[in-house]
Formats: sequence, C-alpha cells, structure tokens
Amino acid sequence: AQKVTQAQTEISVVEKEDVTLDCVYETRDTTYYLFWYKQPPSGELVFLIRRNSFDEQNEISGRYSWNFQKSTSSFNFTITASQVVDSAVYFCALSEANYGQNFVFGPGTRLSVLP
Amino acid sequence: EAGVAQSPRYKIIEKRQSVAFWCNPISGHATLYWYQQILGQGPKLLIQFQNNGVVDDSQLPKDRFSAERLKGVDSTLKIQPAKLEDSAVYLCASSPRVSEVNEQFFGPGTRLTVL
Repeated sequence: AQKVTQAQTEISVVEKEDVTLDCVYETRDTTYYLFWYKQPPSGELVFLIRRNSFDEQNEISGRYSWNFQKSTSSFNFTITASQVVDSAVYFCALSEANYGQNFVFGPGTRLSVLP
Repeated sequence: EAGVAQSPRYKIIEKRQSVAFWCNPISGHATLYWYQQILGQGPKLLIQFQNNGVVDDSQLPKDRFSAERLKGVDSTLKIQPAKLEDSAVYLCASSPRVSEVNEQFFGPGTRLTVL
C-alpha cells in the first residue's frame, strides 16, 4: 500500500537560512507521481510541484528546489534563503497511476521562519 | 479563472445533528475529491468522482457519510448523524483530466466543529 512519511514534525529557522524538508514514500507501483503542497495559515492548499517516477532530474524554481531519488524513495524539498512568508505547513503526497490515482498525503511539516 | 468554491466556511453543530457541505469545482474539471483534514494531520481522501461517477469511496464511513455529484459538476457531502470525531476541515479539490494524474486544486475548506 502507498505511504508517505515526513519525519520532521516542526522546523524553525531564522530568515535567510536554507532549510530542507524530508519526504520518504512507499509504493507498489512502477508508475507514480509525487507532489508537494503548501498550506499557509489561511488554510488553502497550494500546489508547488509534480514529478513522475520516470523523471529523476532535480528541479529548481526560484528559491525552491526538489531532489528526487528513487534509490532511497525520497523526494526532498529545499528552500534557499528562507523568508517569513515561507512559514506554513508543507505536505508531500503520492499518487499511484495504476491503482485508482488516489492521493495519499504525508502528515506534514510545519515550518516557522523567524525574522 | 475562478478557483474551487466551498460553502459554508464554518459550521458548528451538536453531535447527532446532520450537516451538508457544498463544492463547486473549477469549470471543466472532470475529477472531484473530498478530503477530511483533522487538526495536525494531512488530508485524508474520503471520496473521488470522475464526472458524476464514484471512482473511490473506500475510506468514506458510509454508515454516516454520503456524497453525490449531480450532472458531473457541483458536489455535496453530508454527515448524518455527526459524531465528535467528525470535527475537522473538509476540503474539496478538483483536477482537469481523467487520463493522467494531475495536480489537484483545493478550495478553502469548511471547518466543522461538533459539540
């Protein structure tokens, strides 16, 4: 069965520090998709990235970067030069392409960026 | 483009009462999801529709929860009767295509408190 683990419950950093949020997943499928979502204090989940299991290239988008490693079943998210506006709960999610496409979310990591 | 709309935003009821939530997905989105998010946890899928058919309702407590998506557009989720443990945020999400796994777009949620 599919499972997502985010071992870091809460992280606090000071503004401008770099921070990495860990995500480890389990799946029975050979084709699957991984996602990161941000949930700011307002509550609405915001999509950040989608990667499929065949594309292990790392991705960078501004201050955000993602490191996908199939060998360790990890999909980690790094924020460079963090800002107070990055404070939120971040969720990693997994969807198996061949088993109904339903999403399984991790428990989330609460990031607090202090000024 | 308008986002996913949900109403009401907040609801307080007493246990054993009934409650209904409404969701209007992004226009043209084929797939609609309802999630339950208990405080401090990641969203848990309750039911997934493709157009007006149910794809997955394996985690829906069918003795008290029901959902429908008439005409493949709007959807309602009902709880009858409510229990204390149903206190949570109920999130609706939609995604555009059926043939592949896409990112989901989330509404603001309905925060339910059962007293």
